[in-house]
Amino acid sequence: GAVVSQHPSWVICKSGTSVKIECRSLDFQATTMFWYRQFPKQSLMLMATSNEGSKATYEQGVEKDKFLINHASLTLSTLTVTSAHPEDSSFYICSASNLEGDYNEQFFGPGTRLTVL
Amino acid sequence: GQNIDQPTEMTATEGAIVQINCTYQTSGFNGLFWYQQHAGEAPTFLSYNVLDGLEEKGRFSSFLSRSKGYSYLLLKELQMKDSASYLCAVQDSNYQLIWGAGTKLIIKP
Repeated sequence: GAVVSQHPSWVICKSGTSVKIECRSLDFQATTMFWYRQFPKQSLMLMATSNEGSKATYEQGVEKDKFLINHASLTLSTLTVTSAHPEDSSFYICSASNLEGDYNEQFFGPGTRLTVL
Repeated sequence: GQNIDQPTEMTATEGAIVQINCTYQTSGFNGLFWYQQHAGEAPTFLSYNVLDGLEEKGRFSSFLSRSKGYSYLLLKELQMKDSASYLCAVQDSNYQLIWGAGTKLIIKP
């Protein structure tokens, strides 16, 4: 199956700093990448959808100036949490999809655990 | 609005069978997914249903009834490693996944 990687797998940062998370599709070209956030004991919450070469579409309530998403190529998307605060501490998961195949399955990365002190 | 409902938690015994139900109301339907998620890890794909009926894959089976907006995931011969959250997700008319809150499955010896 398709492989999606994320880096870093975990990060601890000080309040006010920015953190960049990378999401890569290793063996296929991802026309669309999704960014999710999951707080403890809660379901996945879609933050934004990005298509290669265009601006990301953010879900309601997600601040686009705080969560910067760049999808510069068909294999790489980045999420930058700017001026992070403790309430941004969460598990961030990316997924990638292409439009080939029988259905638009999303392939998930392993996730990045962010802790803001 | 769009809504996915599944039980919050279920308990079953090792070696037994358990059925996890999912009901949905979404704007359009392009398929229903079941994912397994162990604590602290990303979801892993279990099954996909787009037509009515039962899809069997080893110990796991998934059923769909589009007219009833209903699906279930059936796990047989339960093993301790099956203790996890099981997430039901429906792909809407825009191919976005609408996620249920997940069902935490606890397996007891």
